[in-house]
Amino acid sequence: GQQLNQSPQSMFIQEGEDVSMNCTSSSIFNTWLWYKQEPGEGPVLLIALYKAGELTSNGRLTAQFGITRKDSFLNISASIPSDVGIYFCAGPTGTYKYIFGTGTRLKVLA
Amino acid sequence: NAGVTQTPKFQVLKTGQSMTLQCAQDMNHEYMSWYRQDPGMGLRLIHYSVGAGITDQGEVPNGYNVSRSTTEDFPLRLLSAAPSQTSVYFCASSRGLAGGPSTDTQYFGPGTRLTVL
Repeated sequence: GQQLNQSPQSMFIQEGEDVSMNCTSSSIFNTWLWYKQEPGEGPVLLIALYKAGELTSNGRLTAQFGITRKDSFLNISASIPSDVGIYFCAGPTGTYKYIFGTGTRLKVLA
Repeated sequence: NAGVTQTPKFQVLKTGQSMTLQCAQDMNHEYMSWYRQDPGMGLRLIHYSVGAGITDQGEVPNGYNVSRSTTEDFPLRLLSAAPSQTSVYFCASSRGLAGGPSTDTQYFGPGTRLTVL
């Protein structure tokens, strides 16, 4: 079946550093979604991408829809302690179904 | 708006017991879904509904039942709990179709942490 693989699985970074993570699929997607999950909470949508090559920002977060439509990238600039959490990519597999990636766990060292 | 609410927050069951996880939303969303989250596996879709009276299976439906009698509520039933169902369960809702600008934003509840002994 379809899978979304996220890399890295986890990372420790220093406050102020930039962060990059990616999500790859064996299938083409027409939409990429990036979510953040904080400890003890449900995921919250950060950025949605709808076109190959699209680059979209939300504050210090920037996400890109890969031109092959099989990958997407999320960058966080100048990380702060509240960026800690799990970042998930997701995409629709049908009209009403979504598949989520395995997640990248981010820990920020002050 | 309360958004998406889930009860209970924590639950411990014995193998073979049944229970219902409750989910409600006050945003008048047509689409609701249930996911389970296991370590290292992301979120996996259990069942979903595109409106009152309409439900369908997701990726991992076995051992779970759903029904949708109202737009607001979408309960998930465990018929005979098994240790493999130990997980965190999330309910989500959205306005409409997957892959559509401003309609595919899913709003998640805070989750129910279920342990089956």
